Amino acid sequence: DIQMTQSPSTLSASVGDRVTITCRASQSISIWLAWYQQKPAKAPKLLIYKASSLESGVPSRFSGSGSGTEFTLTISSLQPDDFATYYCQQYNSYSTFGQGTKVEIK
Amino acid sequence: EVQLVESGGGLVQPGRSLRLSCAASGFTFDDYAMHWVRQAPGKGLEWVSGISWNSGNIGYADSVKGRFTISRDNAKNSLYLQMSSLRAEDTALYYCAKDSVVGATKGGYYFDYWGQGTLVTVSS
Repeated sequence: DIQMTQSPSTLSASVGDRVTITCRASQSISIWLAWYQQKPAKAPKLLIYKASSLESGVPSRFSGSGSGTEFTLTISSLQPDDFATYYCQQYNSYSTFGQGTKVEIK
Repeated sequence: EVQLVESGGGLVQPGRSLRLSCAASGFTFDDYAMHWVRQAPGKGLEWVSGISWNSGNIGYADSVKGRFTISRDNAKNSLYLQMSSLRAEDTALYYCAKDSVVGATKGGYYFDYWGQGTLVTVSS
């Protein structure tokens, strides 16, 4: 099975900060990676698919990059609505999620 | 509007069985693979199982293989998860999720719609 490792587990940041979250796969997954945002008591929301494609309606401050085994999610200027937990998901072989990164207010 | 509504959760004793259902609407159900994803209280997301549009490709997480069975009824626009030999560690909110790609035959893609989940608690 493919394992996904996110870092950091928790990130403290301020409004306006540039934030980067990393996701590493235990083997190459090409570009078959998605990113989700989840807020408390809500279902996850798709942000990015195919490593760097922005889902319709998602603000352009979100961007994704990477291929193979290393991927990043970047928020260019953190907004109050962005404080949440973020998950990566590989879908090269069925599916696996990373353990999550909580973005909290500094 | 796409809607996914899960049901069937509840309190169940260890070793017993439970069947979850997901009623889908707002899209052509038999065009898409479907998945179950769970989230234990205070924990992260865990993919549980996925089934292709025609039930020809089915996959399970190692943690549930041999105990859980996914199925679908395209005539009823419904997805199911039969869970047996339940353990305390199966306690979680179970989400139904729609795959994003029409007619996907590999083990699924990313998930563009999610239900609100149904809570399963395994405890004596």
